Amino acid sequence: EPEVTQTPSHQVTQMGQEVILRCVPISNHLYFYWYRQILGQKVEFLVSFYNNEISEKSEIFDDQFSVERPDGSNFTLKIRSTKLEDSAMYFCALLQGPYGYTFGSGTRLTVV
Amino acid sequence: GNSVTQMEGPVTLSEEAFLTINCTYTATGYPSLFWYVQYPGEGLQLLLKATKADDKGSNKGFEATYRKETTSFHLEKGSVQVSDSAVYFCALSSLSGGGADGLTFGKGTHLIIQP
Repeated sequence: EPEVTQTPSHQVTQMGQEVILRCVPISNHLYFYWYRQILGQKVEFLVSFYNNEISEKSEIFDDQFSVERPDGSNFTLKIRSTKLEDSAMYFCALLQGPYGYTFGSGTRLTVV
Repeated sequence: GNSVTQMEGPVTLSEEAFLTINCTYTATGYPSLFWYVQYPGEGLQLLLKATKADDKGSNKGFEATYRKETTSFHLEKGSVQVSDSAVYFCALSSLSGGGADGLTFGKGTHLIIQP
């Protein structure tokens, strides 16, 4: 099963600051995703990324969020101006073949 | 749209008890169904999956059968262990648009196994 590495594992940032969360898959995959899990709540879909562009996004994914693959390897999620309610666990995931979803271990973002 | 409903937790059982965690879904078309497990402080791990009606997914003693007639995918294990304590998420994927919509998750069920 392919591995997905996320960095950092934990990030603390001040409200209003920009953060970039990174995801590094071992090899190329069909789809990339970002999900969010607010503490104690369900895992929520944020965005899917295919062929270097956004394929689908949820209502959560507003103008404060952006994604890209800057070097064809890393897959990043940027939050431009963090709010307290952005505190959550963020998971990167990828799809390899039909229904082969693999998740990273997550980045815990704490906005203070 | 797609949705997943699973039983509220926490569910507390004694070691070697029988486990059932209910999961029902609403989806267009013929989705694939999954159970993910999240151990404390860790990410999501795929536990098992089923891609079509009447399929049974199984792993580590856990089983779930895709029941289209009742739109359910209940998770079962005959004899739980303390190490099974975790949060369990039911999820579905319709592969709409080839994978664009990703997975839809339930709220998760916190399972606590007491020795």
